[in-house]
Amino acid sequence: DTAVSQTPKYLVTQMGNDKSIKCEQNLGHDTMYWYKQDSKKFLKIMFSYNNKELIINETVPNRFSPKSPDKAHLNLHINSLELGDSAVYFCASSQARITGGPWYNEQFFGPGTRLTVL
Amino acid sequence: KNEVEQSPQNLTAQEGEFITINCSYSVGISALHWLQQHPGGGIVSLFMLSSGKKKHGRLIATINIQEKHSSLHITASHPRDSAVYICAVFSPDKLIFGTGTRLQVFP
Repeated sequence: DTAVSQTPKYLVTQMGNDKSIKCEQNLGHDTMYWYKQDSKKFLKIMFSYNNKELIINETVPNRFSPKSPDKAHLNLHINSLELGDSAVYFCASSQARITGGPWYNEQFFGPGTRLTVL
Repeated sequence: KNEVEQSPQNLTAQEGEFITINCSYSVGISALHWLQQHPGGGIVSLFMLSSGKKKHGRLIATINIQEKHSSLHITASHPRDSAVYICAVFSPDKLIFGTGTRLQVFP
């Protein structure tokens, strides 16, 4: 069984379009993340949700909007796609954050979604 | 200068060699995470540590909080160890990644 899954694996689209990437985890984790890996293979955190609540929101354009319908899912919607959005997007999850404790925990990654904007 | 630096950027080795990958950081951290990214792109968590040393099979990770440095060692390297190894630090309010070390192990 896949622990963290993402769909689609590949996404090719035109500039200006709106697209979504879905992420689901079956590990029972309460915290989920979205990362962007650019062409230089540099990973950067975009968002983190803990129990459906946004806890990290790095400086990303507001064209990117995460949506968490429940704690097992964290979807990424991107509006008005631009060429610079082309990258690999990884979803990850980790165990619940203990109240008052550190927010970090070992992370489990999805397989990635390669987005190409033409 | 990146807050998390890895060295070397690229590393080639013969099968059986002992490998060391270094990670230095300039921020205060709560923990450090070593990740492995396979040639196919998948990312796997190797270790998470905040002090001392951890071992899993042929992999050993150490951290020195005072020196702000961590090392990942691979003993008896094998071609299947070929991957990009990424260090990430959990500072109090953000997660910062190193640029990765690309390892190629030849038979």
